[in-house]
Amino acid sequence: GAVVSQHPSWVICKSGTSVKIECRSLDFQATTMFWYRQFPKQSLMLMATSNEGSKATYEQGVEKDKFLINHASLTLSTLTVTSAHPEDSSFYICSAHPPGQQETQYFGPGTRLLVL
Amino acid sequence: GEDVEQSLFLSVREGDSSVINCTYTDSSSTYLYWYKQEPGAGLQLLTYIFSNMDMKQDQRLTVLLNKKDKHLSLRIADTQTGDSAIYFCAERLTGGGNKLTFGTGTQLKVEL
Repeated sequence: GAVVSQHPSWVICKSGTSVKIECRSLDFQATTMFWYRQFPKQSLMLMATSNEGSKATYEQGVEKDKFLINHASLTLSTLTVTSAHPEDSSFYICSAHPPGQQETQYFGPGTRLLVL
Repeated sequence: GEDVEQSLFLSVREGDSSVINCTYTDSSSTYLYWYKQEPGAGLQLLTYIFSNMDMKQDQRLTVLLNKKDKHLSLRIADTQTGDSAIYFCAERLTGGGNKLTFGTGTQLKVEL
């Protein structure tokens, strides 16, 4: 299957700092990528849809100024958690689908964020 | 609504079959998926089924879809210890773009 990578795999930061997470499609181009958040022992919740060359679409209840998304190229989307607080600690996962394969989504390995 | 429900936990013995169930409420699903998540890792796409199909088989995996009852199941034949993980069903809705709505997840534990 197609490969999606994320960097970093885990990060610990102090409260008030900003953290950037990268999502890359390694062997295909993706005009759309998705960002999910998963709290311990819970399901994945879609945060936003990242669109190459245009603004991201955020789900209801997700603050766009808090979670900045930039989809600067066809293989890279970034999620920046601004002024992170302990309640932002979570597992962040991105996904993308290869062109012409809208029925399948491949997920990255996830980034675990811990805010102290 | 877009509620997708799964039972929380399933325990089976190695070599037995596992059946993980999922119910959903929105009848406009186009595709339904099964993903596997191992501890601390991302999601691995196992299989998916188009909504006009009743069954799909892929090696040890069998997916059954009862659209009338809005019920999806995943059967794993000859379950192995490496199958221990959390399994998520997900649905993609008509008109929802490529967004997926995930179930609550079922933790499968395979015992020797």
